[in-house]
Amino acid sequence: DSGVTQTPKHLITATGQRVTLRCSPRSGDLSVYWYQQSLDQGLQFLIQYYNGEERAKGNILERFSAQQFPDLHSELNLSSLELGDSALYFCASSVGTSNSPLHFGNGTRLTVT
Amino acid sequence: GDSVTQMEGPVTLSEEAFLTINCTYTATGYPSLFWYVQYPGEGLQLLLKATKADDKGSNKGFEATYRKETTSFHLEKGSVQVSDSAVYFCALMDSSYKLIFGSGTRLLVRP
Repeated sequence: DSGVTQTPKHLITATGQRVTLRCSPRSGDLSVYWYQQSLDQGLQFLIQYYNGEERAKGNILERFSAQQFPDLHSELNLSSLELGDSALYFCASSVGTSNSPLHFGNGTRLTVT
Repeated sequence: GDSVTQMEGPVTLSEEAFLTINCTYTATGYPSLFWYVQYPGEGLQLLLKATKADDKGSNKGFEATYRKETTSFHLEKGSVQVSDSAVYFCALMDSSYKLIFGSGTRLLVRP
């Protein structure tokens, strides 16, 4: 058990809808990361927060947004969903310093129909 | 920008065979390097890491050595088991402390 909790585990929704994915980091970790894993794109970095502030942004679509709350949990919001958004979304957390490894949750599998 | 290249899979081996999964990287400076493993239906688990040149990371019989001169971090195991069947990801940590992953290599070990 990595200590990173993601909810829900599975999500099935229709095109055009909006969903929210939730992540609770490991105790003591200040940094939260979101990654998207699809069959043909591998693991794509979306966005990173450190202690409530955005630290780095990757290939995140404008339809997607995220935030990290004062209690350090994070939410990833996906709107105007398209079929191509179907993927596994992973959250990871770390202390946020050099050399500290990321610890991953078990992911949320999103299916857009 | 920084990037990681892994050998394409799947890699199919018989139990007790020797495993090598190649990984090379492109980066400015000398980033920390990692191997993660993903079992079916699960998230990524840290397998091992190395933080500077010539460091050897090891765990559960797996090893990888940080080679600055060849910008490589190949994963090896002397004798694989069926339970090692999984997808293996090589990654580097960039300057903002996020991981950049290779495309992953699927390993299938047959009894």
